[in-house]
Amino acid sequence: QVQLVQSGAEVKKPGASVKVSCKASGYAFTSYDINWVRQATGQGLEWMGWMNPNSGNTGYAQKFQGRVAMTGNTSISTAYMELSSLKSEDTAVYYCARVLGAIDYWGQGTLVTVSS
Amino acid sequence: DIQMTQSPSSLSASVGDRVTITCRASQGIRNDLGWYQQKPGKAPKRLIYAASSLQSGVPSRFSGSGSGTEFTLTISSLQPEDFATYYCLQHNNYPPLTFGGGTKVEIK
Repeated sequence: QVQLVQSGAEVKKPGASVKVSCKASGYAFTSYDINWVRQATGQGLEWMGWMNPNSGNTGYAQKFQGRVAMTGNTSISTAYMELSSLKSEDTAVYYCARVLGAIDYWGQGTLVTVSS
Repeated sequence: DIQMTQSPSSLSASVGDRVTITCRASQGIRNDLGWYQQKPGKAPKRLIYAASSLQSGVPSRFSGSGSGTEFTLTISSLQPEDFATYYCLQHNNYPPLTFGGGTKVEIK
């Protein structure tokens, strides 16, 4: 069965970077884009960007341009999202999601807390 | 970018009620829309894809309709396990993806 398993919770100080991983199994990793979506506590879902594991192509929401990098390692079927220059407003649960047109599977989420 | 306006933002309903949630797109998106259910502390789960197709394993009390700019999610008879937040998501011009603002369904 399709699974996306994310890395564990992180606590970071303002200005630091965080890298979240998303290990895919149960399907051909290179056949689907991986997208990242975040959700602040009590808030809605916010799309951050996409990565194509086959080509390595990426695209980011304007809000995160220059501060986010989405990469993948096809040998271990794992996608990564790195967010830098963290601010308190980046405190949220970060989800990876499989996309072929639309999102069909989600990771379990990774809580990133930014606090001094 | 396409904007998705979801309404209402919250509603109170009783078990057995019929519930309707609406999403309006800022421009036509054909049927490139899905509906997702999210329970506290959990990842969203897809209920409906292509505006009206029921995801495998999802109870038939959930249904979706619409095309173009107006879309509806209907729960025909609300069950206790249906109290959750619901989101629409358009993928017509992917990337990007655009979510609606969410509808929290609470117990009356």
